[in-house]
Amino acid sequence: EIVLTQSPGTLSLSPGERATLSCRASQSVSSSLAWYQRKPGQAPRLLISGASSRVSGIPDRFSGSGSGTDFTLTISRLEPEDFAVYYCQQYASSPGYTFGQGTNLEIK
Amino acid sequence: QVQLVESGGGLVRPGGSLRLSCTASGFPLSDYYMSWIRQAPGKGLEWLSYIGFSGDTIYYADSVKGRFTVSRDNAKNSLFLQLDSLRADDTAVYYCARGHYELGCWGQGTLVTVSS
Repeated sequence: EIVLTQSPGTLSLSPGERATLSCRASQSVSSSLAWYQRKPGQAPRLLISGASSRVSGIPDRFSGSGSGTDFTLTISRLEPEDFAVYYCQQYASSPGYTFGQGTNLEIK
Repeated sequence: QVQLVESGGGLVRPGGSLRLSCTASGFPLSDYYMSWIRQAPGKGLEWLSYIGFSGDTIYYADSVKGRFTVSRDNAKNSLFLQLDSLRADDTAVYYCARGHYELGCWGQGTLVTVSS
């Protein structure tokens, strides 16, 4: 099973700041990685697929990068609505797709 | 509006069974692979299963293989997950989602509690 490790576990920032979230895979997943945003009481929302392709309707302040084992989700300028939990997910190893444990992005 | 709504969760005793449903609206279910994911209290997201367009392709996570059964009724735009031989560690919120690689749309989830 491919293990995804997200860091940091919690990130405390202020609106307007830049957020950098990391996701590291225990073995290469090529570009088969997605990022999700999860707000309390809401369903997860797909932000990025293919490691760097922003989903339609997602603001361009969200960007994904990386390939192989190291990936980054960057939020260029945090808006109040961006504070949430973010998960990465790999879909390289069929059928055992796995998720990271999440990064809690909280308001400082 | 694209939407998924899960139902069927509840309290069940260890060893019991439950059938979860996921009703899709705003898109034809038959055009998509569909997946089930769960999140246990205090734990991360766990992918459980996916099913192909017509149900001919099915995969399960090892943790539920032999106990859970996924199915679909495209005519009713519905997805199902039969949960058998339930254990305490199956307690979780269960989500259905559209797709099987990246998951483009998720439901709000239904809570399954396994307890005596």
